[in-house]
Amino acid sequence: AQKITQTQPGMFVQEKEAVTLDCTYDTSDPSYGLFWYKQPSSGEMIFLIYQGSYDQQNATEGRYSLNFQKARKSANLVISASQLGDSAMYFCAMRHPGAGSYQLTFGKGTKLSVIP
Amino acid sequence: DAGVIQSPRHEVTEMGQEVTLRCKPISGHDYLFWYRQTMMRGLELLIYFNNNVPIDDSGMPEDRFSAKMPNASFSTLKIQPSEPRDSAVYFCASTLINNYGYTFGSGTRLTVV
Repeated sequence: AQKITQTQPGMFVQEKEAVTLDCTYDTSDPSYGLFWYKQPSSGEMIFLIYQGSYDQQNATEGRYSLNFQKARKSANLVISASQLGDSAMYFCAMRHPGAGSYQLTFGKGTKLSVIP
Repeated sequence: DAGVIQSPRHEVTEMGQEVTLRCKPISGHDYLFWYRQTMMRGLELLIYFNNNVPIDDSGMPEDRFSAKMPNASFSTLKIQPSEPRDSAVYFCASTLINNYGYTFGSGTRLTVV
């Protein structure tokens, strides 16, 4: 069964500092995709970044980068130069198109608080 | 594009009443998903459709829940009768196969009293 683990229920980071949010996953399928979503207090789910299992390079989107370590089955999100607006819940998710499964399976999330 | 549109944004209903949640996916997207979010269980997939056909409804908690997608631009999630434990935020999301962008609606916050 697919499983996503986020071990940090909550994290604090100083404004302008970088922060890493951890995500590990469990799958035996060679074809999968990994996603990170942000959920601010207003409740919407905002897509941040995607990494495919066959992608050779780590994904980057502006201040977001994904530290993809395939052998360790980890897909950590790195936020550089944290801003107050980054305070939110962050969810890691996975899908298995190779298994004919297109839904996203989510981790429990990490609550990030940015301190001024 | 207006994104995925869900209605209502908030719903308060009494136990035993029927509740219908609505979703309009992004035009051209061929997959539609219904998720439920609670503090205890996080984000759970309830059901998803491909080209209006239900593919996996194994996450639907019980027979009180039903979902339909009569056409490519509309889906409903119905709870009948509703119970207090159904209180949650219900999200609809859509995507296009071969496109990794899953777009979520703003959610419906359901409170059953």
